[in-house]
This record gives sequence, structure tokens and C-alpha cells, in this order.
Amino acid sequence: GAVVSQHPSRVICKSGTSVKIECRSLDFQATTMFWYRQFPKQSLMLMATSNEGSKATYEQGVEKDKFLINHASLTLSTLTVTSAHPEDSSFYICSAKTGKGTGELFFGEGSRLTVL
Amino acid sequence: SQQGEEDPQALSIQEGENATMNCSYKTSINNLQWYRQNSGRGLVHLILIRSNEREKHSGRLRVTLDTSKKSSSLLITASRAADTASYFCATGGSWGKLQFGAGTQVVVTP
Repeated sequence: GAVVSQHPSRVICKSGTSVKIECRSLDFQATTMFWYRQFPKQSLMLMATSNEGSKATYEQGVEKDKFLINHASLTLSTLTVTSAHPEDSSFYICSAKTGKGTGELFFGEGSRLTVL
Repeated sequence: SQQGEEDPQALSIQEGENATMNCSYKTSINNLQWYRQNSGRGLVHLILIRSNEREKHSGRLRVTLDTSKKSSSLLITASRAADTASYFCATGGSWGKLQFGAGTQVVVTP
């Protein structure tokens, strides 16, 4: 199946700093990617839909100025957690959809963010 | 917000036994999917069942769907230690915007 890569897989940062997480579709073009957040032993919560060449669509309650999403190319979406605080510590997972409209969905391996 | 709930939240079984978990959802769907997540890892797609299907099989997996009750079940037969993982149902269009259930943590002991 198609491969979606996330980097870094783990990151530890100090409170107040910003952290960028990359989501790449390695062997297909993804016009749409999705970012999820997962707390320990909980389900995945959709944060935003990342659209290539346009602004991301955020779910209700997700601060767009806190979680900056950029989808500058058909193979890369980035999530930047700005001025991170300990409560932002979480597991962030992206997924990428092949093709436009209907298409298969593939998930990255996730990125664990720990804010000290 | 999460689409639905899953039960049980946790399930502990021995190798060779069957594991059954259920998922309920709230809105009308076109299809329902099941995913597996190993601890600290991404999601692996297991199976998709369409709204006009009642049952689907894939290897040791059996999924049922009851749209009148807005519920689905996942059965893993002859479980193995490698089946230890969290299992999530998800609904949403083929556009990829999925809503996940709460998940069931399955532990299979040798």
C-alpha cells in the first residue's frame, strides 16, 4: 500500500517553543491530508483538514493560530504547534488521501510531542 | 467530536479465543471502517463495510453492520498475541474525514 511518513516520530521541547511536524506522502500525491490528535488511551480527534494550495479547515474548538497547518505541495503537509505548553503534549497523527474526491486513506506512524 | 462509542473499552483474552467488540454510531453512514493501532503507532486499515452490506469477512476478521441499530461489530477469531492492539471503528465519507469511536484495547495473552 501507499506510504505516509511523519517526522519526527518523537520530539521533546521546552514550554514556549514551536515545533513543526511533517507529513509526507512518499509514493502518491495527496491533495488532502488530515491531522488528528490522540491523548493516551483515547481515540483520535480530528483537528483539521489540510488542502494543498489553500487554507486548512479546522474543526470546532481547534485554535488555528495555535496549530498552524501548511500544505504547500502535493506530498507535504506540516503542522506547527506554536508556543507549545505541557497541555499540548500528545500523539499527532496525519492521514493522506490518494486522488481527488473519493480515494484511499493512509495513515502516518504518528509523532509524539512532549512539552516540558 | 467522536462519532460513537465502542464496547468493551478493554478486553483481555487468551490466545486461541475469539474477541468481539462493538461500535455504535450516531449519524447515517455510507460505510464504516475498522482500524487497528499498536501501542504508540499509526493506524492500520482492517476492513470497510458499506451501508448496504450486513457482513464482511477478511481472514480471521468478521465485521457485521446493522444500520437500523446504528451499530457494528468486529470479531477476531482464533486470536494471537500479535492481535494485541487497540481497535477503532470509524465513520465518514470516502472523502477521508473520519470520525473515530472510543476504541477497544485488546490484550491477548499467550
